[in-house]
Amino acid sequence: NAGVMQNPRHLVRRRGQEARLRCSPVKGHSHVYWYRQLPEEGLKFMVYLQKENIIDESGMPKERFSAEFPKEGPSILRIQQVVRGDSAAYFCASSPRGGRDEQYFGPGTRLTVT
Amino acid sequence: ELKVEQNPLFLSMQEGKNYTIYCNYSTTSDRLYWYRQDPGKSLESLFVLLSNGAVKQEGRLMASLDTKARLSTLHITAAVHDLSATYFCAVDGGWNTDKLIFGTGTRLQVFP
Repeated sequence: NAGVMQNPRHLVRRRGQEARLRCSPVKGHSHVYWYRQLPEEGLKFMVYLQKENIIDESGMPKERFSAEFPKEGPSILRIQQVVRGDSAAYFCASSPRGGRDEQYFGPGTRLTVT
Repeated sequence: ELKVEQNPLFLSMQEGKNYTIYCNYSTTSDRLYWYRQDPGKSLESLFVLLSNGAVKQEGRLMASLDTKARLSTLHITAAVHDLSATYFCAVDGGWNTDKLIFGTGTRLQVFP
């Protein structure tokens, strides 16, 4: 069984550009979570999505960040007009039913803003 | 807001020694996770502790949960170099959310 897949694994963007991070959950999982890990820190929750719905975006910065999980295709985390402070590892996790189901983490996308 | 604290933040220990990592959390949670992360890698699930008094062991690692004290421990027995990594605990964010709240992490280095 394929696990959570994320691409790209590494992404370099100049300040002001857009970054698009993709996450394909485990087959059959319809709940996706995005977390951000700044250097030398733990993971911080950003957003929780089900197919076509945002359930909890309490950890998303108010500006420049958006997320979607369309009916078909991967979940996308989009960061517009990136700044150096956006440099981090972004992890996606999925679970089959949400709630108390265990979350399975992907390999992460490491974003570097130059 | 729920806070999760780990200590120590850094741990340098000699092979063969024992040590314990502590994870305290600030509000009620009955589900706690331990993860391992190697540099530049993703999180590897080690243990899921589901109830008060739960104890799980895998190899040289043993985790326990005391929900009344809001404390989990990860005990390392006879450390070996391969255990060098960063260890995170995480708890459910609460009854009305699915998010996980992570601790600050403990960076473990095991030397000969």
